Amino acid sequence: AQSVTQPDIHITVSEGASLELRCNYSYGATPYLFWYVQSPGQGLQLLLKYFSGDTLVQGIKGFEAEFKRSQSSFNLRKPSVHWSDAAEYFCAVGARNYGQNFVFGPGTRLSVLP
Amino acid sequence: GAVVSQHPSRVICKSGTSVKIECRSLDFQATTMFWYRQFPKQSLMLMATSNEGSKATYEQGVEKDKFLINHASLTLSTLTVTSAHPEDSSFYICSATTADGYTFGSGTRLTVV
Repeated sequence: AQSVTQPDIHITVSEGASLELRCNYSYGATPYLFWYVQSPGQGLQLLLKYFSGDTLVQGIKGFEAEFKRSQSSFNLRKPSVHWSDAAEYFCAVGARNYGQNFVFGPGTRLSVLP
Repeated sequence: GAVVSQHPSRVICKSGTSVKIECRSLDFQATTMFWYRQFPKQSLMLMATSNEGSKATYEQGVEKDKFLINHASLTLSTLTVTSAHPEDSSFYICSATTADGYTFGSGTRLTVV
């Protein structure tokens, strides 16, 4: 069965500092991988996704993620965090054939210090 | 890109009443939609998968008689929380598969008082 782990429940960084949110997955085949952000009381916004090709994926708001097959990881990074990045971040994995649902990780809450 | 419109965004209802949540796919046909529930400070958990023109498939532990799902057209899926109780208060969100992946609605915050 597919699963996603996000080892860090809560991360606090200072504004302007770099950020890395960890994501590890377990899946029987090559997965589709996603990062979503959820601001308090809001819906989900897609930051980026990996389907195939270049393993370094660029997303919105200055985020990027790198797919490392050998480590079953898809970590999210941002070189300089802004106060508005404070939110909950979810990694998710899905199947290649469309029409399948997917699994969310438990989420990492990001707090940003001024 | 593909958009899923979800309404209402927030709803407060009295215990024992029913609440309907709608998800509409705009500019595309959604053969399949997924419904998730998110309790405070927790991740999203899949409740059910709805397929147009057929019965929904519920995940283990989800009461199908309480959470009624209807997917009568290729652009509309509804989730009705029947006889709602305070423990049903949660954030409900739908998603649909699109040509390039998955698109989520904006979610519905349900509070049962």
